[in-house]
Amino acid sequence: AQSVTQLDSQVPVFEEAPVELRCNYSSSVSVYLFWYVQYPNQGLQLLLKYLSGSTLVKGINGFEAEFNKSQTSFHLRKPSVHISDTAEYFCAVLGDKLIFGTGTRLQVFP
Amino acid sequence: GAVVSQHPSRVICKSGTSVKIECRSLDFQATTMFWYRQFPKQSLMLMATSNEGSKATYEQGVEKDKFLINHASLTLSTLTVTSAHPEDSSFYICSARDHGRRGEQYFGPGTRLTVT
Repeated sequence: AQSVTQLDSQVPVFEEAPVELRCNYSSSVSVYLFWYVQYPNQGLQLLLKYLSGSTLVKGINGFEAEFNKSQTSFHLRKPSVHISDTAEYFCAVLGDKLIFGTGTRLQVFP
Repeated sequence: GAVVSQHPSRVICKSGTSVKIECRSLDFQATTMFWYRQFPKQSLMLMATSNEGSKATYEQGVEKDKFLINHASLTLSTLTVTSAHPEDSSFYICSARDHGRRGEQYFGPGTRLTVT
């Protein structure tokens, strides 16, 4: 069975500061990992995904994530955030179905 | 990229009535579609998986007689909330799996259901 844990429910940060959103997973099968962003009253948009290959994955809007098998983590990072990055971020693992974490609310302050 | 649409985006209905939500994959064929429910400030909870031409598979705790799912074609799945009650008010999001793109799932924009 697969599961995802997002350790932080909220992350406040000032504009232009770096940010890391944490995600840990458990899976008994091949690991496919995703980060999605959700803006208010909207669906989910794929930020990036790890299916295989390089453990450092680059996505849209300047985000990147690193797959760490030994630590079973897939943390999302951005070196300099913008006000427009304020949103809910979901980590997900794909097995026979897509399982979501509880989400992290990123709040960027000016 | 692949696009999934949902209609309507918002719906308000009276308690006891039924509401149908459509989910369409616009530029790819989706043999599998998913329906999620999201309460305010919470994660997405999978309600059911629908496969084209067969019965949907419901997650534990989801009433199949209340949430009717039909996946009659490779580009359309519908969710009907029957005899809606205020506790059914929620944000419903559909997703379609594109088997041609390594199984990626694409999400619709969601439907806000309010039952009065």
